[in-house]
Amino acid sequence: SAVISQKPSRDICQRGTSLTIQCQVDSQVTMMFWYRQQPGQSLTLIATANQGSEATYESGFVIDKFPISRPNLTFSTLTVSNMSPEDSSIYLCSFQDRAGNTIYFGEGSWLTVV
Amino acid sequence: AQSVTQLGSHVSVSEGALVLLRCNYSSSVPPYLFWYVQYPNQGLQLLLKYTTGATLVKGINGFEAEFKKSETSFHLTKPSAHMSDAAEYFCAVSDNGGTSYGKLTFGQGTILTVHP
Repeated sequence: SAVISQKPSRDICQRGTSLTIQCQVDSQVTMMFWYRQQPGQSLTLIATANQGSEATYESGFVIDKFPISRPNLTFSTLTVSNMSPEDSSIYLCSFQDRAGNTIYFGEGSWLTVV
Repeated sequence: AQSVTQLGSHVSVSEGALVLLRCNYSSSVPPYLFWYVQYPNQGLQLLLKYTTGATLVKGINGFEAEFKKSETSFHLTKPSAHMSDAAEYFCAVSDNGGTSYGKLTFGQGTILTVHP
């Protein structure tokens, strides 16, 4: 099965700072996705990241707050900018495999903003 | 637009009892359906999926789910609960080729508690 890894796995961040989360896949994928899971909540899609184009953001999420890079077909980053305690969440990346019918998730990056 | 409703935010069963976690979906196109499990302080693990073909799908750890189009349901079952099944379970739906291809819409999750 595919391997997808995220870094950092956990971090405690100061209010007002920014943190970049990295997501690495062991195969080339067209689309990658970033989700947020707030404490005690379900997962919500932040954006879709295609290689070579701007990310597509879901309602309620903006590029200035969550800039995304997708420099190649195996890697993506999500930055959480100017963090506040409300940004304390698990951030997960995912992708759909080439066969198109399985969606894999990374282990998540657990951020706490103090 | 797609949506998922998981009936029951908390389900409690005794060890050895039947596990039934309910999921209903709404989709304007034929869906792909997934169940994921999240153990405490861990990420998401795929339990099983329905894409096409047989409507009864078997997954890991003895779980299975049946896609019922007429009822727009994809309930998750396990004949005999084990203590290690205690976790949060998420049902999710994906478009199978339209504009939402690859994007998942999740239900609110069901926390399963297993009593000895």
